[in-house]
Amino acid sequence: DAKTTQPPSMDCAEGRAANLPCNHSTISGNEYVYWYRQIHSQGPQYIIHGLKNNETNEMASLIITEDRKSSTLILPHATLRDTAVYYCTAAGAGSYQLTFGKGTKLSVIP
Amino acid sequence: EAGVAQSPRYKIIEKRQSVAFWCNPISGHATLYWYQQILGQGPKLLIQFQNNGVVDDSQLPKDRFSAERLKGVDSTLKIQPAKLEDSAVYLCASSFQLTLNTEAFFGQGTRLTVV
Repeated sequence: DAKTTQPPSMDCAEGRAANLPCNHSTISGNEYVYWYRQIHSQGPQYIIHGLKNNETNEMASLIITEDRKSSTLILPHATLRDTAVYYCTAAGAGSYQLTFGKGTKLSVIP
Repeated sequence: EAGVAQSPRYKIIEKRQSVAFWCNPISGHATLYWYQQILGQGPKLLIQFQNNGVVDDSQLPKDRFSAERLKGVDSTLKIQPAKLEDSAVYLCASSFQLTLNTEAFFGQGTRLTVV
């Protein structure tokens, strides 16, 4: 599975867009990029995933670069409830496993 | 839709004692995972089941940890004997099937403190 790299922490003003980057330069062709978040004292929560194309759902947008070596999770209008640790991970055929690093701690500031 | 249920939520034991955690996945989910999350770190996969069979247990410390999913539904994770370094949150997750284009749903976890 591809190794992912994320900044340890980020701040975002409430109401502004939060852009969380992830580097996955060793990703292989059949590996999906997944994003999860973990709010304090809860289990991780699925946000979004994608293979090649950009994806959008009710929670967020996922922008994957054309070479697939990096991606950005966008929370369009961050709220205080979006304060959490955000994990980027990649999973491919053969393992179907999610391997989590330390993630990015996003703090939304009032 | 009910989520992944885990019990107990909290457990405090002395080192060398044994402990068991229980997980009931979302109905119909064939794949079940157990993760260990030490404070300040991301979750680490311990074992992965597909129905009642083990897909991967390569990171499970088999000298003290065991897990089973006998009827392919709920699962138990046991530690015997516990060590201080086993203090962590134990997370159970499930997904509909063993494919890439699906998400995993996590329970709230069991926080274990070994003293």
